Amino acid sequence: GDSVTQMEGPVTLSEEAFLTINCTYTATGYPSLFWYVQYPGEGLQLLLKATKADDKGSNKGFEATYRKETTSFHLEKGSVQVSDSAVYFCALRRSGGSYIPTFGRGTSLIVHP
Amino acid sequence: DSGVTQTPKHLITATGQRVTLRCSPRSGDLSVYWYQQSLDQGLQFLIQYYNGEERAKGNILERFSAQQFPDLHSELNLSSLELGDSALYFCASSGSGTGGYEQYFGPGTRLTVT
Repeated sequence: GDSVTQMEGPVTLSEEAFLTINCTYTATGYPSLFWYVQYPGEGLQLLLKATKADDKGSNKGFEATYRKETTSFHLEKGSVQVSDSAVYFCALRRSGGSYIPTFGRGTSLIVHP
Repeated sequence: DSGVTQTPKHLITATGQRVTLRCSPRSGDLSVYWYQQSLDQGLQFLIQYYNGEERAKGNILERFSAQQFPDLHSELNLSSLELGDSALYFCASSGSGTGGYEQYFGPGTRLTVT
């Protein structure tokens, strides 16, 4: 079945550091890939998405590129802020069959001033 | 603000009791999904409804049930509650039954079973 694997957290960084959160997936076909963010005490929010190979999703300084050859969708940001502290979820939705997204377990990011 | 509303925000109840969680999807969204989030299990999909009909089932216990009403709001009923049911319950909505659109999540209901 489909699966999403994220690096375990917490990831702890100082403000203005470079961020990478790794995400790899297993799925048949050509899934759409998503990153969601969950701030403390809130629900998940879509951060960015990519629907086909080599697409780059970007939003709020975050980027992720759909790499079919490595089945990866790593999240990056050049300079993190304290306000980026949250839990980040990688997810996929296959283009056929089940339309229920598969989520990773989430990676907690803590940014210190 | 995602446009998805959930009530109540917090719920504290005793083992063996029954509770109902309510969700109103974004305006125009026909699909509603329910998820359970706990520290040890992560985000678990429970059930999906599309325009009033059950579309997909995930790891939903038999003690749990859900429905979607003609006005598209949905309710998740949890009965014979156990301590292990303590978790955050999220509702999400999307624009089509195929799930072709990204999901929009509500703020969640935090259930504590004592």
